[in-house]
Order: sequence, then structure tokens, then C-alpha cells
Amino acid sequence: NAGVTQTPKFQVLKTGQSMTLQCAQDMNHNSMYWYRQDPGMGLRLIYYSASEGTTDKGEVPNGYNVSRLNKREFSLRLESAAPSQTSVYFCASSLRTGGESYGYTFGSGTRLTVV
Amino acid sequence: AQSVTQLDSQVPVFEEAPVELRCNYSSSVSVYLFWYVQYPNQGLQLLLKYLSGSTLVESINGFEAEFNKSQTSFHLRKPSVHISDTAEYFCAVSGISYGKLTFGQGTILTVHP
Repeated sequence: NAGVTQTPKFQVLKTGQSMTLQCAQDMNHNSMYWYRQDPGMGLRLIYYSASEGTTDKGEVPNGYNVSRLNKREFSLRLESAAPSQTSVYFCASSLRTGGESYGYTFGSGTRLTVV
Repeated sequence: AQSVTQLDSQVPVFEEAPVELRCNYSSSVSVYLFWYVQYPNQGLQLLLKYLSGSTLVESINGFEAEFNKSQTSFHLRKPSVHISDTAEYFCAVSGISYGKLTFGQGTILTVHP
């Protein structure tokens, strides 16, 4: 099984450019998440989707938008990239949001640099 | 709401030495507890979890963690580390009935030969 697949793996953007990070899972999970990882700050939740058709803000949503395209796919969009958005982005999925005893399954990450 | 504090940002040890990575959590409800490991340039992988029952849980590669409810801790230990254990380790908590997974800041374990 592929699990959670993220594309692209690496990306360099100029300030002000836009881009979409793609995420797909093949585990029939209901919930999906976007995190950013910065040194010394752990993982911070950007947005999540508890189920198909719903999305909610996490801890650090400013500057991002998301789309839950279907049960499998959850994309993250940067409309106007800023250097502060330089980070490693992880997509994750789980059977459900809340009381999830199986934990999350993570993708391998997208390393984004904004210059 | 929950929060997680990992007390050490970096832990250097020599190969075959014991190690403990400390994790404290705060929650107003009963929780599930997790440790994840992230090897260089990879995503996070579930290492072990505490759901209920025995307070001591083990992973397949020799790590163990003990849930201490009175001290709200879930420290990770290994009696003898290997070079291959070099990675970043994250403690995480979620509510049993509701609540998303909340992560600690991470502890970088570096094993020296």
C-alpha cells in the first residue's frame, strides 16, 4: 500500500508566487491533516478535514487555503507565498478525528523554500 | 484542550548507552499517548502507543514507554541505543473521545560511536 502520498517533494518559490501541495491517501481514512514542521517548534496544524466535505482551521491557518477534493485527496494552497512559509509540510490521515487509537499516517513531506 | 512538553530538545548519547526522552502532557480528559520517530529527510512513523491497560508499552525495536497518570508523563526509554536510533522523536496526545493529535516540540536523539 502507498499510504499517504505527497507531491512535490521539493519546491522553490519566489515571494508572491502561488502553488498547491497535493496529498492523497489510499487507506479509506475519513480525516486528513496538513502540518508544517519548523525547527524547535514541532508540528503545527494548519488545516484539517474531519470528513469529506468539511474543512477547519488549525493552529496556524493564515496564508493558506485547503480543498478536500474527495475522500482520498486533500490539497493545500499558498495564494501568495512569503519567506515565513519556508518549511517542511506534512500531510497525514486517520480513520477519524478524535479518539483515534491508531494514530496518524504521515506522508514523506514537501520541503518548500520561499525566496 | 491538550498540550505536550518534551523536556529536552537534544539528547546526545554514546552507542550502547541507555537513554530516556522525557514527555509531559496536560489534558482535562482521558488521553491516548503516542511516540513518533522521524529519521532524517523522512516523514513521521508511529513508534509506540498507550491506549489502556498495562502502563508499560514496548516497540519492536527495543524502545519502551511508561504511562504515569499521577505525574502526567510518558517518558521513552531504551536500555542500549544503536547508531541507527539517531532521529527526532515526537511525543503526542489525543483525547479518547475527541480532540486531534497534539505534538510536542520534538527531541533530537544523536547516537555517537
